[in-house]
Amino acid sequence: EVQLVESGGGLVQPGGSLKLSCAASGFTFSGSAMHWVRQASGKGLEWVGRIRSKANSYATAYAASVKGRFTISRDDSKNTAYLQMNSLKTEDTAVYYCTRQGGSYGDFDYWGQGTLVTVSS
Amino acid sequence: SYVLTQPPSVSVAPGQTARITCGGNNIGSKSVHWYQQKPGQAPVLVVYDDSDRPSGIPERFSGSNSGNTATLTISRVEAGDEADYYCQVWDSSSDHPYVFGTGTKVTVL
Repeated sequence: EVQLVESGGGLVQPGGSLKLSCAASGFTFSGSAMHWVRQASGKGLEWVGRIRSKANSYATAYAASVKGRFTISRDDSKNTAYLQMNSLKTEDTAVYYCTRQGGSYGDFDYWGQGTLVTVSS
Repeated sequence: SYVLTQPPSVSVAPGQTARITCGGNNIGSKSVHWYQQKPGQAPVLVVYDDSDRPSGIPERFSGSNSGNTATLTISRVEAGDEADYYCQVWDSSSDHPYVFGTGTKVTVL
């Protein structure tokens, strides 16, 4: 059974940092591209960024709204993906989901349960 | 970046058919994916690559894509289908390559 479990969310002040983790199991993590998607309360889904596999040079890409502030990494030995968030803003407040890219055309076939990040003073 | 537009809401009686549209410029040239999200839960993929269904998704869920509109069709709607639905595409030429639609709330009357 595929499982994605996020952790690391919490309350942080504007300008602060937080690092989210996504522990994966039930599939070949090292061969999968992993993404982060967020959702502010009562709002729609927003893609945050992704990291490809080692075979694809661990290439990363980010949404314009987080580029330069957020960094995605992975540790294939631990089957874990990470989202390092720096210079946090109040508008970054959201539930953050870890997702697995399923196919070649960018679908997200498995999702974690999400972790809440609140940026507030 | 690429924009996907969905109607905010769709209402349907049980047993009837719900159609949710997703509009985008020449969306027919892209692969469209659809997600169902119930309150307090993570999204679930219900259709991928325009019209394929993941295992475990009922045949009542189907998709089509042509021109400037993709459509998710839910046949024989059940109370349990009440949820938010999002379309999504991969725009390989964009600096924001993964785009979600605005979302549609499906209400079962």
